Amino acid sequence: DTAVSQTPKYLVTQMGNDKSIKCEQNLGHDTMYWYKQDSKKFLKIMFSYNNKELIINETVPNRFSPKSPDKAHLNLHINSLELGDSAVYFCASSQDLRDQPQHFGDGTRLSIL
Amino acid sequence: GENVEQHPSTLSVQEGDSAVIKCTYSDSASNYFPWYKQELGKGPQLIIDIRSNVGEKKDQRIAVTLNKTAKHFSLHITETQPEDSAVYFCAASKGGGSYIPTFGRGTSLIVHP
Repeated sequence: DTAVSQTPKYLVTQMGNDKSIKCEQNLGHDTMYWYKQDSKKFLKIMFSYNNKELIINETVPNRFSPKSPDKAHLNLHINSLELGDSAVYFCASSQDLRDQPQHFGDGTRLSIL
Repeated sequence: GENVEQHPSTLSVQEGDSAVIKCTYSDSASNYFPWYKQELGKGPQLIIDIRSNVGEKKDQRIAVTLNKTAKHFSLHITETQPEDSAVYFCAASKGGGSYIPTFGRGTSLIVHP
């Protein structure tokens, strides 16, 4: 059983389109995250949710909107896609907001044409 | 905010050699230091972590050391094997209600058979 699963694994689309990435965790964790990994492998946190509530919103354009329908799911919707959005997006979860290891999904590679 | 520096960016060793990756952090309040291994096409996976009340931790061929005074921590891999080839990330965080882990920029470890 995959602990943190993301769909789709690959997403190729044109500039200006709107797309969504879904994430689900079956670990019973309270906290979920979205990260962006650029072409140089740098991992940057975008959002964090705890029990469906937004905790962290780093300096991310408001074209990115996370939604957490329940604490096992954290989806990412992106409007008006730009070339600079091309990256690998990782979902992760941790037990709670204390210092805990994070469990990552295998990523969604987003390519903007 | 926290700043984590990781060196080297690339490390090439022969099978059986040891590998050492070093990280420094800036915020003396940081108290949790995980290490993640990212294989090609996968998400980062926790391999070992250390908390500020411990100076060293071992798990088979991997070990982590922490020097709080100098604000640096290191990952040591002994008897390297080709399957150790991956990108390794260090991270630092200080917990609390807004747990934001800061990642280093990663080290690409290549183990030559």
